Amino acid sequence: GAGVSQTPSNKVTEKGKYVELRCDPISGHTALYWYRQSLGQGPEFLIYFQGTGAADDSGLPNDRFFAVRPEGSVSTLKIQRTERGDSAVYLCASSNSGAGDTQYFGPGTRLTVL
Amino acid sequence: LAKTTQPISMDSYEGQEVNITCSHNNIATNDYITWYQQFPSQGPRFIIQGYKTKVTNEVASLFIPADRKSSTLSLPRVSLSDTAVYYCLVGADNYGQNFVFGPGTRLSVLP
Repeated sequence: GAGVSQTPSNKVTEKGKYVELRCDPISGHTALYWYRQSLGQGPEFLIYFQGTGAADDSGLPNDRFFAVRPEGSVSTLKIQRTERGDSAVYLCASSNSGAGDTQYFGPGTRLTVL
Repeated sequence: LAKTTQPISMDSYEGQEVNITCSHNNIATNDYITWYQQFPSQGPRFIIQGYKTKVTNEVASLFIPADRKSSTLSLPRVSLSDTAVYYCLVGADNYGQNFVFGPGTRLSVLP
């Protein structure tokens, strides 16, 4: 079956602009995660959804970052007033449900803020 | 604070067995140990997960001593295509503080 997909694969924007990054999880997976990965570093947790609700958003760096999952499947990560420091690969993962489930990652969206 | 500690890098040759050890001194009773592999320009990929003793699947083995304060990922007879970064994660419940990826171990397999 299809894996986790993310669009766009690359996004270049200018400082101060607004961007949206999309994640399509594996069908039927109730849990969805967003991570950010900088060059040479491991993925950094941003937010976790269980169904439509954000069960844990403790990783969001500030109020410029926001994510939604209105129907419990597709999720959108929204970044307002982008800064050069936001440049990174944004990864999405989904898992079936419950604690300790394997997370399946998408290929990521490479965001570059000029 | 990072929950796990791994070597930053390792080198090996094709055909050798590679063992990567992860320290997790503060592991909780309910925590599982999960290893992921990541190739450049790709998202991490699940390799193996365990709770105690030994787990084996078609690609790797995971050894966990009785005190569970460390674990060792064993890759038998590595090939050039096993060159990647390997991450060890410890956690149980689906809360953000458990999804802490360290810098991982960069494995380079040489011909």
